[in-house]
Amino acid sequence: AQSVAQPEDQVNVAEGNPLTVKCTYSVSGNPYLFWYVQYPNRGLQFLLKYITGDNLVKGSYGFEAEFNKSQTSFHLKKPSALVSDSALYFCAVRDDSSASKIIFGSGTRLSIRP
Amino acid sequence: DVKVTQSSRYLVKRTGEKVFLECVQDMDHENMFWYRQDPGLGLRLIYFSYDVKMKEKGDIPEGYSVSREKKERFSLILESASTNQTSMYLCASNDGGRTVYFGPGTRLTVT
Repeated sequence: AQSVAQPEDQVNVAEGNPLTVKCTYSVSGNPYLFWYVQYPNRGLQFLLKYITGDNLVKGSYGFEAEFNKSQTSFHLKKPSALVSDSALYFCAVRDDSSASKIIFGSGTRLSIRP
Repeated sequence: DVKVTQSSRYLVKRTGEKVFLECVQDMDHENMFWYRQDPGLGLRLIYFSYDVKMKEKGDIPEGYSVSREKKERFSLILESASTNQTSMYLCASNDGGRTVYFGPGTRLTVT
């Protein structure tokens, strides 16, 4: 069965510093991996995805994520955090052998202090 | 722009009531999903549908049922609402393994 873990409930970073939000996954086939962001009182917005190809994926708002097959990880990164990046971030995975089922992690709250 | 709409943003129901949550997408997507979002638990998949009249249970289907009579519409039904079903309900759709698009959510309170 597929699963995804976000080991940190909260990540605190000073504005201008690099940020990392961690995600690890487990699938039986090849993974499709996603990151979503949820701003307060808003719906979930797509940030980026990995399907195949280059292990470093670039997405919206300056975010990127690195697919690491050996560590089964897909950590979200940004070189320089902004206060406006403060939000709830979700990692998601789909197993390419399953019928479209997409599983989300428990979420990580990112807080950027000025 | 892909649009996923949900019939209500806020809903208050009494214990034992039958509750219908409606979701419509306008992108001709094959797949539609219902998740519930609870603090500390993230998004948990209740049901998903990969075609009209086709459905599969997610991780927490107990107490829920679904209906997909038309491709664009996916309904979540709480047969007899209970207080532990108070939550944020999110509908989503996608085509194959591609990006999932979410609706704005329905915050359901069962009293």
